[in-house]
Amino acid sequence: AQKVTQAQTEISVVEKEDVTLDCVYETRDTTYYLFWYKQPPSGELVFLIRRNSFDEQNEISGRYSWNFQKSTSSFNFTITASQVVDSAVYFCALRNFGNEKLTFGTGTRLTIIP
Amino acid sequence: DAGVTQSPTHLIKTRGQHVTLRCSPISGHKSVSWYQQVLGQGPQFIFQYYEKEERGRGNFPDRFSARQFPNYSSELNVNALLLGDSALYLCASSLLQGSVDEQYFGPGTRLTVT
Repeated sequence: AQKVTQAQTEISVVEKEDVTLDCVYETRDTTYYLFWYKQPPSGELVFLIRRNSFDEQNEISGRYSWNFQKSTSSFNFTITASQVVDSAVYFCALRNFGNEKLTFGTGTRLTIIP
Repeated sequence: DAGVTQSPTHLIKTRGQHVTLRCSPISGHKSVSWYQQVLGQGPQFIFQYYEKEERGRGNFPDRFSARQFPNYSSELNVNALLLGDSALYLCASSLLQGSVDEQYFGPGTRLTVT
């Protein structure tokens, strides 16, 4: 069975601080994909990143970076120099190869305080 | 290019009624998936359709059904509505079945059952 755990329900940081959102996953498949989505108050899920199970390279995109570690089944997301516009709910998700079903975590509500 | 569109945006129904939600995928996308997101939770997979055939089904009762049309748009039907069906219903489209491409989500339909 697949499972995604986001232990942090809510996080609040002051603007310009760095913040890391944790994600731990479980799957029996050897080939899978991990995702992060952002959900602003409008409700639409915005795709941020996809990482394949066979590619453990960390990735940086502007102020965003992702740390994928298969040894600990974790796929953490760091926002550097946070901004108020980063306030949203962030979801980590898992999808097994050949399957369209996304298994989501319960999300982390991030609030950036001006 | 237009993204995934869903209609209606909001809907209020009474217990026992039925509801039909509609989704138009991104042009060229042949796979459509439906998710239910209860307040405070992550989205839960309901159905996936590809080339008009059901390719995946989540753990939802038979009151939930869906179909995909020749133009790849899709409908989600829910019969005998319960209070617990109140949620944001999200539609996502992707290019192919089981491809590595990410799913793109629509803005959702917020259903309230009273």
